[in-house]
Amino acid sequence: KNQVEQSPQSLIILEGKNCTLQCNYTVSPFSNLRWYKQDTGRGPVSLTIMTFSENTKSNGRYTATLDADTKQSSLHITASQLSDSASYICVGPSGNTGKLIFGQGTTLQVKP
Amino acid sequence: EAQVTQNPRYLITVTGKKLTVTCSQNMNHEYMSWYRQDPGLGLRQIYYSMNVEVTDKGDVPEGYKVSRKEKRNFPLILESPSPNQTSLYFCASSSVGLAGVGDTQYFGPGTRLTVL
Repeated sequence: KNQVEQSPQSLIILEGKNCTLQCNYTVSPFSNLRWYKQDTGRGPVSLTIMTFSENTKSNGRYTATLDADTKQSSLHITASQLSDSASYICVGPSGNTGKLIFGQGTTLQVKP
Repeated sequence: EAQVTQNPRYLITVTGKKLTVTCSQNMNHEYMSWYRQDPGLGLRQIYYSMNVEVTDKGDVPEGYKVSRKEKRNFPLILESPSPNQTSLYFCASSSVGLAGVGDTQYFGPGTRLTVL
């Protein structure tokens, strides 16, 4: 069964600290994995996409990694800011269909 | 401005009263999809459409209908709403790349539905 599982479920860090969010996926065949940021009450916004040939990709203070062997992706946030407080969602297509598999998300709270 | 619009943004209704939530995108995207989001459950896909007149079920299609008669519009229909359909609904659209679905999805602002 295609699944995307994220950890931790929630995380609290102090402003300026770094953190890493995890995503384990069992989507087959694998084509890509995408990270979204969702502010409370708003629609998700894409942060980055990881394809099979990429193992690291950065978008400002966000760096995503992909390990195709262990089927794990991580999102590393550097020098966190209060505006990073949000839910972070990992998403992958379910094979060659149009279905998308969403992780349950990690809720990050950055405190001053 | 490229965007996905949803209407209404907030809706309170009663059990059994048919309703439609509209979704429109101005990016000429082939792919459109509806999701519901409930606390602790994350986003779950209701229906998706790969192109005009092509729709398919997601993970939680029961109690919902959709249609795709035009490329830009993808309405979500609740024929007989029930309280367990109280949720936050998002519509999204994307292009379809060479690898199939997976291009950036653009989400609408959400519709908060309460069924009494």
